[in-house]
Amino acid sequence: ELKVEQNPLFLSMQEGKNYTIYCNYSTTSDRLYWYRQDPGKSLESLFVLLSNGAVKQEGRLMASLDTKARLSTLHITAAVHDLSATYFCAVGFPGTYKYIFGTGTRLKVLA
Amino acid sequence: DTAVSQTPKYLVTQMGNDKSIKCEQNLGHDTMYWYKQDSKKFLKIMFSYNNKELIINETVPNRFSPKSPDKAHLNLHINSLELGDSAVYFCASSQVEGDEQYFGPGTRLTVT
Repeated sequence: ELKVEQNPLFLSMQEGKNYTIYCNYSTTSDRLYWYRQDPGKSLESLFVLLSNGAVKQEGRLMASLDTKARLSTLHITAAVHDLSATYFCAVGFPGTYKYIFGTGTRLKVLA
Repeated sequence: DTAVSQTPKYLVTQMGNDKSIKCEQNLGHDTMYWYKQDSKKFLKIMFSYNNKELIINETVPNRFSPKSPDKAHLNLHINSLELGDSAVYFCASSQVEGDEQYFGPGTRLTVT
């Protein structure tokens, strides 16, 4: 069965600290997406990673993809309160129009 | 200016009723989707459409019937609502398959 697992599920961290969210998936794919969801809101696209070794950065967030390890990471640098949200990774399968979302990581940044 | 819009935002109804959710995107995208997010925030794709044609039906009960009258619209009709249908339903679109998706604001469906 196709699985996309994120860890941790919950993350409480102090402002100014660094941390990494991990996204593991169980079958071959070179398409990985990261989304952010604020409480009660919709999902917002953060990154699209389309090849092995892809790295993208926006502000304090950096995402990478290792297709051989079937692993993507979302690294948070010097966290600020505004980054508090739930972060989802999603795996895509070219030509299938199918996407499997991870379990989500609920991040809380404490002032 | 809203890229992907859904109506209604909230829907409260009784078991056995039939209801519809509408979705419209003004981004000119070819591909649209319906997702269900349950109470544990788990997101699951339900349907994928490309250029008005159904591509994926992810083992969704046939009480759920999507309809795409044109590329910009994808509606979801649900018959004989059950308690387990309570969830937030998101519509999304992408330029083409594989691109990032733009999500609508969601419709919170509560079945009592």
